[in-house]
Amino acid sequence: EIVLTQSPGTLSLSPGERATLSCRASQNVDTDYLAWYQQKPAQAPRLLISRASSRATGIPDRFSGSGSGTDFTLTISRLEPGDFAVYYCQQYGTTPITFGQGTRLEIK
Amino acid sequence: DVQLLESGGGLVQPGGSLRLSCAASGFTFSSYAMSWVRQAPGKGLEFVSGISGTDGHTFYADSVKGRFTISRDNSKNTVFLQMNSLRAEDTAVFYCAKDIRNSWCGVSDRWGQGTLVTVSS
Repeated sequence: EIVLTQSPGTLSLSPGERATLSCRASQNVDTDYLAWYQQKPAQAPRLLISRASSRATGIPDRFSGSGSGTDFTLTISRLEPGDFAVYYCQQYGTTPITFGQGTRLEIK
Repeated sequence: DVQLLESGGGLVQPGGSLRLSCAASGFTFSSYAMSWVRQAPGKGLEFVSGISGTDGHTFYADSVKGRFTISRDNSKNTVFLQMNSLRAEDTAVFYCAKDIRNSWCGVSDRWGQGTLVTVSS
């Protein structure tokens, strides 16, 4: 199975700053089938990005995804108060599909 | 508006069974694959099972293969997860999620609020 390692584990930033979250795969992610989700406390996950860089419906363009192969990045250009949450990457190119362990984005 | 409403969670003893249901509305149910994803308390997300929309092809995590069975009733817009031989490590919030495609890929663009399954004696 493909293991996804997210870094950092926790990221402390202030509103208005830029956030860069990393997701590294243990082997190539087929066809860049990599997704990102946001999860706030006591809420279900929300799809942000699929196919490494394609924003889901209704997701603001402050969120962008990039990368290919084994290294992927989620960038949030200007943090807003509602962006502070846990972010998960997911690969769906190879079964079993797998999630990273998450990056907690907290207010500094 | 898409809605996914899970039910059937609760407290069960090790070795017991539960059947989760997820009632869907707001979209053409048969046109989309569905998944169950779980989250143990304080932990990350784990794929459990998926089922394609039209052909009903099923997919399972190794951790539940042979114990859990996913099914769907397109006439009732409902997906099910039959869970047998439950273990303490199955304790989690179980989310029902709508796939972005008819053929299951595991990317979910709509999620229910989850139902808690607790396996304990």
